[in-house]
Amino acid sequence: DTGVSQDPRHKITKRGQNVTFRCDPISEHNRLYWYRQTLGQGPEFLTYFQNEAQLEKSRLLSDRFSAERPKGSFSTLEIQRTEQGDSAMYLCASSLVVTSGINEQFFGPGTRLTVL
Amino acid sequence: AQRVTQPEKLLSVFKGAPVELKCNYSYSGSPELFWYVQYSRQRLQLLLRHISRESIKGFTADLNKGETSFHLKKPFAQEEDSAMYYCALKAGYSSASKIIFGSGTRLSIRP
Repeated sequence: DTGVSQDPRHKITKRGQNVTFRCDPISEHNRLYWYRQTLGQGPEFLTYFQNEAQLEKSRLLSDRFSAERPKGSFSTLEIQRTEQGDSAMYLCASSLVVTSGINEQFFGPGTRLTVL
Repeated sequence: AQRVTQPEKLLSVFKGAPVELKCNYSYSGSPELFWYVQYSRQRLQLLLRHISRESIKGFTADLNKGETSFHLKKPFAQEEDSAMYYCALKAGYSSASKIIFGSGTRLSIRP
């Protein structure tokens, strides 16, 4: 499978624990995005990277959330001191930025987080 | 504020009937609009975008700036069209800006 992959696919944790998710983008893609999707809602933007640089963060990304893309390839999203409100599907997407034409974001299957 | 509104949570139509999924947006600049689809047990994927003015799987969508709408239409629904549909807006002038999604409409095609 040459698409975007995410690991784990499911995570159940207790409130107060830390969790980390990984996203592997399509290999030549230089942009990587994180979204969060709660039940009955569309995906909500969290943050994105251009190579290893984090260029934008949403107000949704509280100080308990941190994302990295250290080598400009895979990315991790860590949530510290999880709360029940963090329960959601976390989606990763990647794209290849070109100076002209269409920039399509390709989505991964998501990581479903359940905080007990 | 940038916002995408899909007023219908669920739309159920019979096979062969016309389909229209409504989408309205709020954006101060020149918008780029998209429709994404998620079939059962599959990942979210792009269906079509307004700037391409294309028809994909029989679906079309026309951007109406006066009504700030981007409704998705298909003249004759098929059972395989059953899925979750999200209208989306690209926010920002960069070619790789973030996407703002609506809350989605579940389309159910009855045989």
